[in-house]
Amino acid sequence: DADVTQTPRNRITKTGKRIMLECSQTKGHDRMYWYRQDPGLGLRLIYYSFDVKDINKGEISDGYSVSRQAQAKFSLSLESAIPNQTALYFCATSDGHPATNEKLFFGSGTQLSVL
Amino acid sequence: SQQGEEDPQALSIQEGENATMNCSYKTSINNLQWYRQNSGRGLVHLILIRSNEREKHSGRLRVTLDTSKKSSSLLITASRAADTASYFCATDPPGTDKLIFGTGTRLQVFP
Repeated sequence: DADVTQTPRNRITKTGKRIMLECSQTKGHDRMYWYRQDPGLGLRLIYYSFDVKDINKGEISDGYSVSRQAQAKFSLSLESAIPNQTALYFCATSDGHPATNEKLFFGSGTQLSVL
Repeated sequence: SQQGEEDPQALSIQEGENATMNCSYKTSINNLQWYRQNSGRGLVHLILIRSNEREKHSGRLRVTLDTSKKSSSLLITASRAADTASYFCATDPPGTDKLIFGTGTRLQVFP
């Protein structure tokens, strides 16, 4: 969905490097999420944020940190990358209204390889 | 641990046939959603069914939900080669305020 933009699309880095993945959205949604996808494991939630002042850990937050710089921006950082963080990372948004749209809108993903 | 598990993990059919994918989950839910992912791309929402609904249709898609069995199925009728993708179910358990995804079914539709 072009309304949710992730940068970069691909990144190769070395073990121990600090990496930041960025996500911006033009949908005006309050809720933003970071997921990682590994083959055969589906999507697992890393962190999520319901507004600028709200940050919550997901299932697999160890080794990651996030920053919600504005309603439209949510970045994911790997402080010291390790090879098992090689994965496809997705940012997603939702407006979180139970009566209407609880569905997620995804970015195109960032393929990260840690050597 | 994963909330949802899809079955089968992979499915290959010919164009024109119907494709059925199943999702089982572990806890009570507010709603269940199905998403589609083309290879290496972001997921796209297909359909949402609420816990008090039993069946829902959208075009060639038919979703059923059986909360007593904690299971859902996605039926794609008259499949097309363009339906080739991975399909994921996702649930929204009460009190969790987030979606939890299953492991997905890879569907291959041959022309």
